[in-house]
Amino acid sequence: SQELEQSPQSLIVQEGKNLTINCTSSKTLYGLYWYKQKYGEGLIFLMMLQKGGEEKSHEKITAKLDEKKQQSSLHITASQPSHAGIYLCGAALSGYALNFGKGTSLLVTP
Amino acid sequence: NAGVTQTPKFQVLKTGQSMTLQCAQDMNHEYMSWYRQDPGMGLRLIHYSVGAGITDQGEVPNGYNVSRSTTEDFPLRLLSAAPSQTSVYFCASSSQGDTEAFFGQGTRLTVV
Repeated sequence: SQELEQSPQSLIVQEGKNLTINCTSSKTLYGLYWYKQKYGEGLIFLMMLQKGGEEKSHEKITAKLDEKKQQSSLHITASQPSHAGIYLCGAALSGYALNFGKGTSLLVTP
Repeated sequence: NAGVTQTPKFQVLKTGQSMTLQCAQDMNHEYMSWYRQDPGMGLRLIHYSVGAGITDQGEVPNGYNVSRSTTEDFPLRLLSAAPSQTSVYFCASSSQGDTEAFFGQGTRLTVV
C-alpha cells in the first residue's frame, strides 16, 4: 500500500516558472527523503529532512517539512530543462527500508 | 567509487524462464533492498535484508526469492517469469533502515 501520497502526479511547466510538489503521509515522518530520477536512469538523492519546520535548499530546489512532520514540499524556482524528471519522496515508515510515493513527473518546456 | 552495481542492465525473458538479477555494494551497508518500478506506481518494495543471512518480504514479494550470504551481495531470483513481472528493478543499500538509500542504475526486464 502506498502510505505516501504525492501530488501532482505530473506537471508541465514553462521554463523559468516556479513549481511545487507535495508529499503527504498519515504517519509522522521521522526522516523524509527527496530523490530525482532522470528518465531511464537510477535515483539521485536530493535532500533529507528530519526536524519539524526544517527547510533545506540546494541550488534552485528547496524542500520543507511541516511542523507536524506529516507533509513535505519540494519547490523549484525558475525551472530549467535540466530539472525535468521524476521526483520521488521516500520515508522510513517501517524502519527497515524506505517507502516511496508514486512520484511526480516533471516536464519543462522551452 | 562503485556504490551499488546491478547487472544486467537489460534482459528479455520468455514466460516460465528463470533468472537472477545481481546486486552488489561496496559500502559495507547492512541494509539492502529490491524495488520494482512500474508506470504510475512509484517504487514498491519486493524484499529487503537487514544483514547477511537475514531477509524478509516487502510489499510485493510473490514470484521473487532472495538470499543474503554476504554483506556485499543481494541477488533477486525470478523462478518462473511472468509477463506481470515486466518492470524496472532497482537495488538499494543503506547503513541503517531509516537512512539515505543508495540506488543502482536499474535492470529493465521484459517478459514475453
